[in-house]
Amino acid sequence: AQKVTQAQTEISVVEKEDVTLDCVYETRDTTYYLFWYKQPPSGELVFLIRRNSFDEQNEISGRYSWNFQKSTSSFNFTITASQVVDSAVYFCALADRGSTLGRLYFGRGTQLTVWP
Amino acid sequence: DAMVIQNPRYQVTQFGKPVTLSCSQTLNHNVMYWYQQKSSQAPKLLFHYYDKDFNNEADTPDNFQSRRPNTSFCFLDIRSPGLGDAAMYLCATSREEAGTPLNEQFFGPGTRLTVL
Repeated sequence: AQKVTQAQTEISVVEKEDVTLDCVYETRDTTYYLFWYKQPPSGELVFLIRRNSFDEQNEISGRYSWNFQKSTSSFNFTITASQVVDSAVYFCALADRGSTLGRLYFGRGTQLTVWP
Repeated sequence: DAMVIQNPRYQVTQFGKPVTLSCSQTLNHNVMYWYQQKSSQAPKLLFHYYDKDFNNEADTPDNFQSRRPNTSFCFLDIRSPGLGDAAMYLCATSREEAGTPLNEQFFGPGTRLTVL
């Protein structure tokens, strides 16, 4: 069965602090895809990254970085030098070949609040 | 800019009164999805269209129907809304081809449905 766990329900930081959002996943498939989406107060889900199971290289995009570790089934997301505009709900999601095409299994999300 | 558009952004209906939510896209994606997202929860997939093929999630109530008259448009019909159907409804699209990796989904801003 597929499952995504985001244990942190809410995180509050002060601007310029670094913050890491945790994501742990479960799947029996050897081929799968992991995603992070951001949902600001406006409601629209914004795609941040996709990572497939064969690519364990960590990725950095500006202030964002992702740490993918298959050994621990984790795909954590770090924001460096956080800003108020980073305040949003962040969802980690999983898709694998065992699921309906395109079906994303979402975690429950982490509400990040960045205070000025 | 290519995008996913949802109308209306806010919809109020009465208990039991049919309502239709619409979604259009200029991305020319072949797959369109409808998600339901209740407060502080992850989005839940209701169904999706792969081209013209309709795929219903097993736990989607019969009260929810969908139509896709052409590539660009997709509608969500709620035949007899109940109080429990009050939620944000998100439309998403992706381009999928057999044998290629699952691609990211692009989401619209959502329609917030209130049932009185």
